[in-house]
Amino acid sequence: KNEVEQSPQNLTAQEGEFITINCSYSVGISALHWLQQHPGGGIVSLFMLSSGKKKHGRLIATINIQEKHSSLHITASHPRDSAVYICAVHPNTGNQFYFGTGTSLTVIP
Amino acid sequence: DTGVSQDPRHKITKRGQNVTFRCDPISEHNRLYWYRQTLGQGPEFLTYFQNEAQLEKSRLLSDRFSAERPKGSFSTLEIQRTEQGDSAMYLCASSLDVGGNIQYFGAGTRLSVL
Repeated sequence: KNEVEQSPQNLTAQEGEFITINCSYSVGISALHWLQQHPGGGIVSLFMLSSGKKKHGRLIATINIQEKHSSLHITASHPRDSAVYICAVHPNTGNQFYFGTGTSLTVIP
Repeated sequence: DTGVSQDPRHKITKRGQNVTFRCDPISEHNRLYWYRQTLGQGPEFLTYFQNEAQLEKSRLLSDRFSAERPKGSFSTLEIQRTEQGDSAMYLCASSLDVGGNIQYFGAGTRLSVL
């Protein structure tokens, strides 16, 4: 069983649509990260959350610690948002991260 | 560009050969991580260093794998006697602190074992 589950696995949207990607985890955590991975493998960290909500441009990330759930929202989606979005959590114990398998997003013009 | 460099970007090798990858982290970051990512999966933790000390190794890291960070700066990951199952993207990341700061990832080294 994976400690981090993401949904959906694949998502296709029309340009301009509002997008939501969900992440659920089963362990107690000190932080949750949303990562973006473009074709070719490079990973960029978008957000680190331990509570509440963060916003950066068109991206919004929320976390509910009690429900062990986080969401990543993209407003007014654009083709350049097409990438794999990965949720990763840092557990309260140990030093490694647990990663979800990612959500592959394609935004069509 | 996140500031973390990996070399080479791509490596093709024959089964049984040894390969070595290099990671140069952000200079002030004291923690360095190696991950492996296979197609369609999220990254899997392999090992991490606090300065030059290797503090944790995953069960995924068989005896054929060895990682070093001799001076607490760059790190190398060596795979001996490569197998086709070693084909994957090998990612390096660095951070100041696991609990607080964000990990910055390199672009990865894609290994293909023929």
